[in-house]
Amino acid sequence: AQSVTQLDSQVPVFEEAPVELRCNYSSSVSVYLFWYVQYPNQGLQLLLKYLSGSTLVESINGFEAEFNKSQTSFHLRKPSVHISDTAEYFCAVSDGHGYSTLTFGKGTMLLVSP
Amino acid sequence: ETGVTQSPTHLIKTRGQQVTLRCSSQSGHNTVSWYQQALGQGPQFIFQYYREEENGRGNFPPRFSGLQFPNYSSELNVNALELDDSALYLCASSPSTGDGYTFGSGTRLTVV
Repeated sequence: AQSVTQLDSQVPVFEEAPVELRCNYSSSVSVYLFWYVQYPNQGLQLLLKYLSGSTLVESINGFEAEFNKSQTSFHLRKPSVHISDTAEYFCAVSDGHGYSTLTFGKGTMLLVSP
Repeated sequence: ETGVTQSPTHLIKTRGQQVTLRCSSQSGHNTVSWYQQALGQGPQFIFQYYREEENGRGNFPPRFSGLQFPNYSSELNVNALELDDSALYLCASSPSTGDGYTFGSGTRLTVV
């Protein structure tokens, strides 16, 4: 069975400051890892994903995440946040096989203030 | 390409009633999954359909059922609604490779 732990339920940060949202997973098999973002009253949008290859993956809006197999982590980082980054962020894992499903963490609310 | 569309966006039902939620998958995706997201929680997997067959199910009772149609669209049916069924229901489509999941905007179900 797989599980995902997001260690922080809320992360308050000032605009233009760096941020890290932590995610640890548990799985007995190789995994695919995902970060999704959810704005208020909306569905989930894929932010970035790790499938294989380079352990550092980047999104088009400045976020990056690094897959660390030894620490079973996939932390999300951004060097300088904007007010518009305020949202709920979900880390998710799948076992990488066809027809597999996503297991989500409970989410981290990123609150960016001026 | 079109994304995943869900209908309706919101609805209110009375306890004990039945509800049907609908989902159109993204073009080229043949697998549809349904998730329930309770307030303040991460999405929980309900079940998955591939080629009109259920091929995975989470920890949900049988009153949660579904269908997938030949065009890969899907329905989620919930019978005998309970207050705890109030949640955002998310549909996600993916190719059979399992490396990409596209979510719809969800249906907000309120049971009173």
